[in-house]
Amino acid sequence: DAGVIQSPRHEVTEMGQEVTLRCKPISGHDYLFWYRQTMMRGLELLIYFNNNVPIDDSGMPEDRFSAKMPNASFSTLKIQPSEPRDSAVYFCASSLRLAGKETQYFGPGTRLLVL
Amino acid sequence: AQSVTQLGSHVSVSEGALVLLRCNYSSSVPPYLFWYVQYPNQGLQLLLKYTTGATLVKGINGFEAEFKKSETSFHLTKPSAHMSDAAEYFCAVSEGGSNDYKLSFGAGTTVTVRA
Repeated sequence: DAGVIQSPRHEVTEMGQEVTLRCKPISGHDYLFWYRQTMMRGLELLIYFNNNVPIDDSGMPEDRFSAKMPNASFSTLKIQPSEPRDSAVYFCASSLRLAGKETQYFGPGTRLLVL
Repeated sequence: AQSVTQLGSHVSVSEGALVLLRCNYSSSVPPYLFWYVQYPNQGLQLLLKYTTGATLVKGINGFEAEFKKSETSFHLTKPSAHMSDAAEYFCAVSEGGSNDYKLSFGAGTTVTVRA
């Protein structure tokens, strides 16, 4: 399996622009998670889905952030409008909810810089 | 709710020396505990996990960790450090046996290995 795939790997944009991050989970996994990593705040869970349905979005920082999962093989995290403080590495992870298979598998991340 | 505290943000060891990374957790229910490693510019990779059963768990790359309920700890060890162990290590906890698969991460410990 190719693992969790994220695109783009790097994104540089200007303040006010819309940013869309993409994630393809491991085939067959039924949970998908979006995390943000910064030096100041460490790893934060933003939102997670189960069977394409958002379960907990309490970590989404504000209304500028939105996430969708239109099908089992694709999810997006959108920031509109972007701000410099959104600069971070965004990780997507997926897992399979079966006994003994609680492990979350992480993608390589998208490094976002908002100027 | 659960949380993790990693003692020491930086650890420096000599090649061949013992690696010990400390992790304490709090959880209102029996926890699932994880150690992840992150190499520069990469995503997180699972080293090992404890869910149920044997409290001493062995992971990849010669690492192991012991779940001690009485001490609410899950410290990570490796008997002999290798240069390739230089990375950032994260301890994480989730609510075992529940329908909640959220992971709460510690702040991370950066390991440097001296030749």
